[in-house]
Amino acid sequence: SAVISQKPSRDICQRGTSLTIQCQVDSQVTMMFWYRQQPGQSLTLIATANQGSEATYESGFVIDKFPISRPNLTFSTLTVSNMSPEDSSIYLCSVVGLAGGQGADTQYFGPGTRLTVL
Amino acid sequence: GENVEQHPSTLSVQEGDSAVIKCTYSDSASNYFPWYKQELGKRPQLIIDIRSNVGEKKDQRIAVTLNKTAKHFSLHITETQPEDSAVYFCAARGAGGTSYGKLTFGQGTILTVHP
Repeated sequence: SAVISQKPSRDICQRGTSLTIQCQVDSQVTMMFWYRQQPGQSLTLIATANQGSEATYESGFVIDKFPISRPNLTFSTLTVSNMSPEDSSIYLCSVVGLAGGQGADTQYFGPGTRLTVL
Repeated sequence: GENVEQHPSTLSVQEGDSAVIKCTYSDSASNYFPWYKQELGKRPQLIIDIRSNVGEKKDQRIAVTLNKTAKHFSLHITETQPEDSAVYFCAARGAGGTSYGKLTFGQGTILTVHP
C-alpha cells in the first residue's frame, strides 16, 4: 500500500522562528489536509491543501500564520510562522484517494511532526 | 458546520469484556463515519468505517452501527484484549457546502483493557 511520510518527525524551535513541514505521498491522491493535535486533545483541521491554488483555511487559522503549498498531487508543505509556545503540537498531514487504500474516499494520516516551541 | 460529540471520554474494561463508544453528529448531510485508533506517539489508524447507506458493519471483533434518524453511531469491540488499549476517535465527513470532504472529529475515548 502507498506510504505517507512527513519531515521532520520532530523539532524543537525558538519562539519567533518558522518551521516548514513536508508531507510526501508515494502515489497521487485527490485531497490533502493538515491537522493539528495538541497534547491530549483531538484532531483539528487547519486547512485543505489545494493543488495549484491557495489552501482553504478553517475558522481560527490564517494563511499568514500557516502558509501551505501543494505544487502537485503527491506533495504538500505546511509552514508554522512566527512561532510561540502555544504552537507546540503535533501536526499531521492527511490524504484521501490513496492507491491501495480501502476506498476512494478513505482518509489516512501521516506519522506526524512533533513540534516544541521554547 | 459539523459538530461531533463522543462519549465516554475514558473507558476501563476487563480483558474479554465488550466496549462501546458512542458518537452523535449534527449535520444530517454527513455521509461517512470512520473510527480511528491512536496508540501513544503513533498516527491515527483507521480501524473501521461506515457509510450512510448502511446501518451496520462488522470486521472480526469490531463493529459499527449507524442510526441516521437519530444522528448517532457507535463502535463496539467484543472480547477486548490489552492491545486494544488506545485512544479511539470517531469522525463524520460533511457532504455539502463548506463541509464537503472534511472530517470533524470527536473528542476521543481513552480505552484501557486490564489483563
